[in-house]
Amino acid sequence: SYVMTQPPSVSMAPGKAASITCEGHNIGGKSVHWYQQKPGQAPVLVMYRDNDRPSGIPERFSGSNSGNTATLTISRVEAGDEADYYCQVWDSSSDHVVFGGGTKLTVL
Amino acid sequence: EVQMVASGGGLVQPGESLRLSCIASGFTVNINYMHWVRQAPGKGLEWVSVLYSGGGTYYADSVKGRFTISRDDSKNTLYLQMSSLRAEDTAIYYCATVVAAIDGLDVWGQGTMVTVSS
Repeated sequence: SYVMTQPPSVSMAPGKAASITCEGHNIGGKSVHWYQQKPGQAPVLVMYRDNDRPSGIPERFSGSNSGNTATLTISRVEAGDEADYYCQVWDSSSDHVVFGGGTKLTVL
Repeated sequence: EVQMVASGGGLVQPGESLRLSCIASGFTVNINYMHWVRQAPGKGLEWVSVLYSGGGTYYADSVKGRFTISRDDSKNTLYLQMSSLRAEDTAIYYCATVVAAIDGLDVWGQGTMVTVSS
């Protein structure tokens, strides 16, 4: 089955840019979605189809996907961005949804 | 308002069964696809199952043969029938779908906790 690897944690100071990566074999050929999950809450979609933002998601969130790495970038990180972030794809070979292991973003 | 409310979780013993429900409002459950996703305590998200509008279903290998996803259009409700439950099935179970975002899962239920323990 398809596997995606995320760094367990990323830390960044407020006002700086934070990038969270999601590595997978030829992930550039897939459509990647990203979710933000705060403690005790359900996940929230923050990026779909690599780089499209759902309504209500700040422009500070952007995405890219090429080769073996997809990236979610949060420019000008704020304290409220502190959360777990998950990448997700549809693996057509197995007809399964696959999530990355998640990355905890800490705002210093 | 577009939302989903999950229910049916609880404490069960290994080997027992449980049925989760997810009532949708603001949209119909027979659109596109409806998913169940779970999260074990302190762990990441794990996809469980999907039900397509045409009735097709798929399951994670970890639950295949034990869980059944279904819906009742008249009640606008999604279900997850879980049988032969194991300790490793202990998790918060979320229902999720896409309504406005074209792709991805942009509507999630609040989750319902299932604990499998003797």
